[in-house]
Amino acid sequence: DARVTQTPRHKVTEMGQEVTMRCQPILGHNTVFWYRQTMMQGLELLAYFRNRAPLDDSGMPKDRFSAEMPDATLATLKIQPSEPRDSAVYFCASGLVLGGQYNSPLHFGNGTRLTVT
Amino acid sequence: AQKITQTQPGMFVQEKEAVTLDCTYDTSDQSYGLFWYKQPSSGEMIFLIYQGSYDEQNATEGRYSLNFQKARKSANLVISASQLGDSAMYFCAMREADTGRRALTFGSGTRLQVQP
Repeated sequence: DARVTQTPRHKVTEMGQEVTMRCQPILGHNTVFWYRQTMMQGLELLAYFRNRAPLDDSGMPKDRFSAEMPDATLATLKIQPSEPRDSAVYFCASGLVLGGQYNSPLHFGNGTRLTVT
Repeated sequence: AQKITQTQPGMFVQEKEAVTLDCTYDTSDQSYGLFWYKQPSSGEMIFLIYQGSYDEQNATEGRYSLNFQKARKSANLVISASQLGDSAMYFCAMREADTGRRALTFGSGTRLQVQP
């Protein structure tokens, strides 16, 4: 059963440190998404890629966050420097979303729970 | 304006009974898809059911069905014969095709608790 794999599952770090979260999308999926979940804001889209090219990163604080997809099997989300307000669960999701198509679901990883102290 | 509105922060249901979780949406697109996800306490997001804007029949997947009322812009999830394992957060989401936006926009969720 194909799954989206995220590492690490949990991360505790101190303010100012760099955090890197990794995601392996499902093989064959062409679109990869990063979402952040907090109690206050719910599920927010940070960025997404199609065929490894960034399509939308308008939800991401540009000064400290960066998202890349160095190859089809790896997507990364980096925070540098991290702040306590970045504490959240970060989800990666992938899907096969073709042009004009709207019926394909996203498949989510188990998330990275980030705590910044 | 909120794209997806889930007005029930929490719901209780007795085991074996049916429950309806509400979802209304806002879009000017003609083509769009509506999705429901389940998030148990373990945290993963599980896809449950999909309904397309042009689908004439309500979607069903096992004990899940989607009560789609296009004119009212509602896409309520119905869970029949509730089980204790159905206790979780449930999220309604939408993808709008006309804008070319591929991401899903999520509602704030409804926490369902199934009581024995």
